[in-house]
Amino acid sequence: GDSVTQMEGPVTLSEEAFLTINCTYTATGYPSLFWYVQYPGEGLQLLLKATKADDKGSNKGFEATYRKETTSFHLEKGSVQVSDSAVYFCALGPGAGSYQLTFGKGTKLSVIP
Amino acid sequence: NAGVMQNPRHLVRRRGQEARLRCSPVKGHSHVYWYRQLPEEGLKFMVYLQKENIIDESGMPKERFSAEFPKEGPSILRIQQVVRGDSAAYFCASIRGGAYTGELFFGEGSRLTVL
Repeated sequence: GDSVTQMEGPVTLSEEAFLTINCTYTATGYPSLFWYVQYPGEGLQLLLKATKADDKGSNKGFEATYRKETTSFHLEKGSVQVSDSAVYFCALGPGAGSYQLTFGKGTKLSVIP
Repeated sequence: NAGVMQNPRHLVRRRGQEARLRCSPVKGHSHVYWYRQLPEEGLKFMVYLQKENIIDESGMPKERFSAEFPKEGPSILRIQQVVRGDSAAYFCASIRGGAYTGELFFGEGSRLTVL
């Protein structure tokens, strides 16, 4: 079945550091790919998405490119801020005949001043 | 607030009691998901409902758990005879239906603690 593997956290960075959170997936067909963010005490919010190979999703300085050849969708940001501290979830789907998004386990990011 | 509303935000139950979690979707949305988030784990799909219809319940435990989304009123996730392993955050998400873009609108979650 479909699955998502994210890098283990937690990740701690200093303000203005470069961020990469790795995400790889296993899926049949060509699903859409998503990054969701969960701030403390809140629900998940869509951060960005890509619907086909080589698409780049971007939002709030974050970027991720849909790489079919490496089945990856790594999240990057050039200069993180304290306000970026949150848990980031990679997700894919829905697959053919399915209505579900499949989520990774999440990566907790802490940014220190 | 036009977003997904979940209540209660926090619920404490003793083993053997029942838990009822409610979810009101974004206005105009006709489809609702329930996901469970266990400590240190990601979100696990439970059930996908349309008003008055369960579309996919493949993620629901076979016993003690049920969900509904009536024609009027919120969606309800019901857990009977709770056990400590049911302690988790339960998230509801809604979509408009129709052409599916994959973007889910999440509520803030209901955190269940079973003593």
